[in-house]
Amino acid sequence: EPEVTQTPSHQVTQMGQEVILRCVPISNHLYFYWYRQILGQKVEFLVSFYNNEISEKSEIFDDQFSVERPDGSNFTLKIRSTKLEDSAMYFCASSGLNRITDTQYFGPGTRLTVL
Amino acid sequence: RKEVEQDPGPFNVPEGATVAFNCTYSNSASQSFFWYRQDCRKEPKLLMSVYSSGNEDGRFTAQLNRASQYISLLIRDSKLSDSATYLCVVSGSSNTGKLIFGQGTTLQVKP
Repeated sequence: EPEVTQTPSHQVTQMGQEVILRCVPISNHLYFYWYRQILGQKVEFLVSFYNNEISEKSEIFDDQFSVERPDGSNFTLKIRSTKLEDSAMYFCASSGLNRITDTQYFGPGTRLTVL
Repeated sequence: RKEVEQDPGPFNVPEGATVAFNCTYSNSASQSFFWYRQDCRKEPKLLMSVYSSGNEDGRFTAQLNRASQYISLLIRDSKLSDSATYLCVVSGSSNTGKLIFGQGTTLQVKP
């Protein structure tokens, strides 16, 4: 069964450093998402991406965040200058032709720890 | 008011029990509704979509009441492997596929 993959599984970084989280969505999917989950809290939407542009972003997704689909397979989330409060699990998700009704499949996540 | 609200539990039930979870959502323009399951420190996985007519998948039954903005999940004949956090999830009204998650309800099934 096709699945979303994410690398690395765990990233430790110093405050102020840049990190890039990588995702490979399911190959024929068209819609891509990033969510995050701070330990003990709910899953929160960060950004949705379609046709090589952002279709919606949350208040959390400020200027320090960016997303890119640099080639036909990867989807990346960059955090330019990490803060302690960016420590969380980051999930990538993708869905197929209908972004409203199609299932979003989640990757296993990247645990980001900012020291 | 929270966008999606659930009782966090935990619900501790014996094997074989029937358990029900409820969820309310605040945005009447929400279009799609789901129950996801999340095991400890893992990704959310779709359990089932929820339709206005109600739907069943084996031991799981989901109901949606749009007038009351209320979603439910019923699990019959609980198994030890059902122990997890159940996430009530609603799609946003913005048409971008954004999902809004509830806090989750924790279920612990005991032998």
